[in-house]
Amino acid sequence: DAGVIQSPRHEVTEMGQEVTLRCKPISGHDYLFWYRQTMMRGLELLIYFNNNVPIDDSGMPEDRFSAKMPNASFSTLKIQPSEPRDSAVYFCASSPGQAGTDTQYFGPGTRLTVL
Amino acid sequence: GEDVEQSLFLSVREGDSSVINCTYTDSSSTYLYWYKQEPGAGLQLLTYIFSNMDMKQDQRLTVLLNKKDKHLSLRIADTQTGDSAIYFCAERGQPGRRALTFGSGTRLQVQP
Repeated sequence: DAGVIQSPRHEVTEMGQEVTLRCKPISGHDYLFWYRQTMMRGLELLIYFNNNVPIDDSGMPEDRFSAKMPNASFSTLKIQPSEPRDSAVYFCASSPGQAGTDTQYFGPGTRLTVL
Repeated sequence: GEDVEQSLFLSVREGDSSVINCTYTDSSSTYLYWYKQEPGAGLQLLTYIFSNMDMKQDQRLTVLLNKKDKHLSLRIADTQTGDSAIYFCAERGQPGRRALTFGSGTRLQVQP
């Protein structure tokens, strides 16, 4: 398996523009997570899905952020309009949803810079 | 709420042992994890321990868990320059909750 795939790897945009980050989880995994990593706040959970349904979106910063999972193999995280404080590395992770350890596997991340 | 804390930086010499420490507050933690992040890369799972265990060994890695003190440590034996990275401690709370709470990460620098 190719692991969790994220695109783009790097995104530079101007304040006010719409940004869409994409994620393809590992095939067969039931859970998908979006995290944000910054120097100031470390790794924060934004939202996670189970079987394409959002379970916990309490970490989504504000209404400018939205996430969707239209099918089991694809998810998007959209920021509209983007602001400089959204600059961060955004990670997607997936897990099988099995009882027990249920390890999360991370993608390589998307480094977002909002000018 | 849940909180996970780690020291920010550790420097060791090649060949020495490294010990990275972590404390957490959630007494209902079920699993605790150690992840490694190399520059420009995502997080890679190193090892995990179930909360009813007090030690787990995996090659050069030893995880110690003191559940009473809510203290977790990762020992890397014979540390190599390739071990230089940021190490994150993470915990998963109640069994039904899938999300992880991460510490701030410890940057390990291995000097030749």
